[in-house]
Amino acid sequence: DSGVTQTPKHLITATGQRVTLRCSPRSGDLSVYWYQQSLDQGLQFLIQYYNGEERAKGNILERFSAQQFPDLHSELNLSSLELGDSALYFCASSVRIGPGGTEAFFGQGTRLTVV
Amino acid sequence: DAKTTQPTSMDCAEGRAANLPCNHSTISGNEYVYWYRQIHSQGPQYIIHGLKNNETNEMASLIITEDRKSSTLILPHATLRDTAVYYCIVGETSGSRLTFGEGTQLTVNP
Repeated sequence: DSGVTQTPKHLITATGQRVTLRCSPRSGDLSVYWYQQSLDQGLQFLIQYYNGEERAKGNILERFSAQQFPDLHSELNLSSLELGDSALYFCASSVRIGPGGTEAFFGQGTRLTVV
Repeated sequence: DAKTTQPTSMDCAEGRAANLPCNHSTISGNEYVYWYRQIHSQGPQYIIHGLKNNETNEMASLIITEDRKSSTLILPHATLRDTAVYYCIVGETSGSRLTFGEGTQLTVNP
């Protein structure tokens, strides 16, 4: 158990709909990352938040958005869903940013299926 | 971030050491080498990281060459549960994004 909690574990929804994925980081971790893993793309970095502020943005579509709340949990909002958005979505957290290496801890993911 | 090159797949006999190589010839002086693994669609799991010196923890050992252009992850006594995709990643600072490549599919055989 990494200490990172993602809900829901599975989600099936129709095209055009909107869903929200939730992530609770490990206790004390200030940084949260979102990754997408589809069959043909591998693990793709989407976005990172640190202590409530957006820190880095990767290959995140405009239909997707995220935020990190004062209690440090994060939500990833996916709208106008398309079949190609079907994927595993992982959240990860790490304790800090800055010089020095430190590990990131991943949740077990949310499997999104768009039908 | 520096790019890494790993073999696509490797096999290892159960109980033997698994040595997974990684090339990162463009690594810069302040970039760390991280290893993660992913067991069949589970969340990636951190294994180990290092800067210059060799590192060992309860899971594995990391050997980094003196010029830092390559490294080897060693699982000393591989078990069937070590079958996974292993990712070698180079990153500058803690908290920077992790850029996952294709990784190495390690299959541990009975």
